[in-house]
Amino acid sequence: AQTVTQSQPEMSVQEAETVTLSCTYDTSENNYYLFWYKQPPSRQMILVIRQEAYKQQNATENRFSVNFQKAAKSFSLKISDSQLGDTAMYFCAFIPLIQGAQKLVFGQGTRLTINP
Amino acid sequence: EAQVTQNPRYLITVTGKKLTVTCSQNMNHEYMSWYRQDPGLGLRQIYYSMNVEVTDKGDVPEGYKVSRKEKRNFPLILESPSPNQTSLYFCASSLLGLQETQYFGPGTRLLVL
Repeated sequence: AQTVTQSQPEMSVQEAETVTLSCTYDTSENNYYLFWYKQPPSRQMILVIRQEAYKQQNATENRFSVNFQKAAKSFSLKISDSQLGDTAMYFCAFIPLIQGAQKLVFGQGTRLTINP
Repeated sequence: EAQVTQNPRYLITVTGKKLTVTCSQNMNHEYMSWYRQDPGLGLRQIYYSMNVEVTDKGDVPEGYKVSRKEKRNFPLILESPSPNQTSLYFCASSLLGLQETQYFGPGTRLLVL
């Protein structure tokens, strides 16, 4: 079974600090996509970053970057220079690229609070 | 404005009373899906649709039905709701499939008494 595990239910940092959210996944597939989604208090789900498994280079989007370790099945999210607007639930998600299947598996989420 | 809309946003109902949550997108997306979000469990996929008249089960389809008669609409039907279906529901769409950016609706909070 495909699973995604986020081992940190809650995290809290001061504004401007760097924070890393962890995510591990379990799959026997070799090709897949990984995502980080952000859910602010408004509940809207927003895509933060995406990583294709066949790409060795870690994805980066402005202050957000990932550390993708395929052998370890690890996909952590680093937020640099954190801002108050980064306060949200963050979900790691995984899509195995199985022909004919389009199933998205989410982790349990990490509640991140940025303190002023 | 490109968006996914859901209605209603909030719903309180009683056990056994059939209900439908509508989902509509205006981006001509092929792929649509439904998720439920529960504390400590993240989001779990209920059903998805690759195109009109093509639907398939996700991880938690029991107690739910869907239909895709038009490209833009993907309603979620609870024929006989039960309290364990109390949850936050999200509809999402993407151009061709999950490997692309998914656009989520605003969510529907359902309480089944």
